[in-house]
Formats: sequence, C-alpha cells, structure tokens
Amino acid sequence: SAVISQKPSRDICQRGTSLTIQCQVDSQVTMMFWYRQQPGQSLTLIATANQGSEATYESGFVIDKFPISRPNLTFSTLTVSNMSPEDSSIYLCSVESRAGELFFGEGSRLTVL
Amino acid sequence: AQSVAQPEDQVNVAEGNPLTVKCTYSVSGNPYLFWYVQYPNRGLQFLLKYITGDNLVKGSYGFEAEFNKSQTSFHLKKPSALVSDSALYFCAVRDDSNNAGNMLTFGGGTRLMVKP
Repeated sequence: SAVISQKPSRDICQRGTSLTIQCQVDSQVTMMFWYRQQPGQSLTLIATANQGSEATYESGFVIDKFPISRPNLTFSTLTVSNMSPEDSSIYLCSVESRAGELFFGEGSRLTVL
Repeated sequence: AQSVAQPEDQVNVAEGNPLTVKCTYSVSGNPYLFWYVQYPNRGLQFLLKYITGDNLVKGSYGFEAEFNKSQTSFHLKKPSALVSDSALYFCAVRDDSNNAGNMLTFGGGTRLMVKP
C-alpha cells in the first residue's frame, strides 16, 4: 500500500481567504483523487488530479473554487479558494493501487470562521 | 448510474457478539465493492474488496463480507466484535462498465458502537 502524507492536518481559516493542501505519495501513482467529507457526511469526489493536464472535476465542483495541481506522479495540491463556513470539511487525498483499491491520506480538517 | 446504500446510521453490538453492517448497491455492469473504516480524526483505511471469485471475502482485522448478487448486497461481518472495532464504516462501489470511469461511490456510512 502507498503511504500518503497530507499537509496541513488541520487549519482554522478566515472567510474569504484561500488554503492550499498538499498531498505527497511515497511512490509513483497514476490515479490521484481529492475527496471532501463534510461534517457527519460521507465522501464526495471533488476531482481527479491528472499529471500534466487539467484536473477532471465532478458535478458541482469547479476549477475556480478548487484549483488542483499535479506536477508529477507523486505530488498534488488542492486549493480551497475564497473560503466560506460551508467549506468547513475534511479534505482527503487518495490514490488508486494497481489492484484497484483506494488508499487515503489522513485528511486535512478545515474550519472556516 | 451507480449507487450504494447503508440503511443503518448506527449499529450497536456487545463485545464478543457477531456484528453485521449492511450495504446494498446498484450498478449497470458488474460491481467492484469495497469496505473502508474510519477511526476518529483519521483518514479511511481499506478493509476488503470484492472484484470477482469467491463470494465470501476476508479482509483486515478479522472482518469479512459476503457478495450476494441476487440481493445486490455486500454486508460486512465479524464473528466476534471488539470494543476497538468501534468506528465509522463505509461501503463503496464502482461499476465496471466502460462508461463508468474510475469513480468510486461511497455509502453514507454506518457508525459501529461495540460496548464492553
């Protein structure tokens, strides 16, 4: 299984600011994803982070709000832009193994005041 | 479209008793099914998966799950629950049909409470 490190693990932010979350994997992976888990809710896929090209966003998520970078096969960032209290969530980076399993980072718990 | 349902928000069981956490799914092709566990303030941990083969799948920490195609279910089970099993459990499904992409759909989660 891959070891996935996310930074920051948690943060408290002011409304209107932006925060960038980093995801580092200890091995090269093709498929990398960003999920959101709102308080008391299940996981929702935000986007697939594509290496060398623009991310593929799911319905309800747009690049202006959640810009994603994927400069190489081991690293990705997710930015939550112009934050509001509704953005308070856990943001999870995940990678897919060759066997088709998803492995997750510990998550970044974001609180927007 | 693919979907997955976990009909119970919470399951309570006494330590040492068997436990079942229910999951049903809907796909247009064949299902790839997964169970994940989330401990407090942690990310999700992979427990087990069904892709093909034996309907009974064994996973981590003594958990197992049974794939039932006729009932479109993939219930998680453990013969003897531990207090340390208390956590949030998520079932997930992926449709293997060509137009489904790589998207994994998660159920709403079931909180398992194991009491001493």
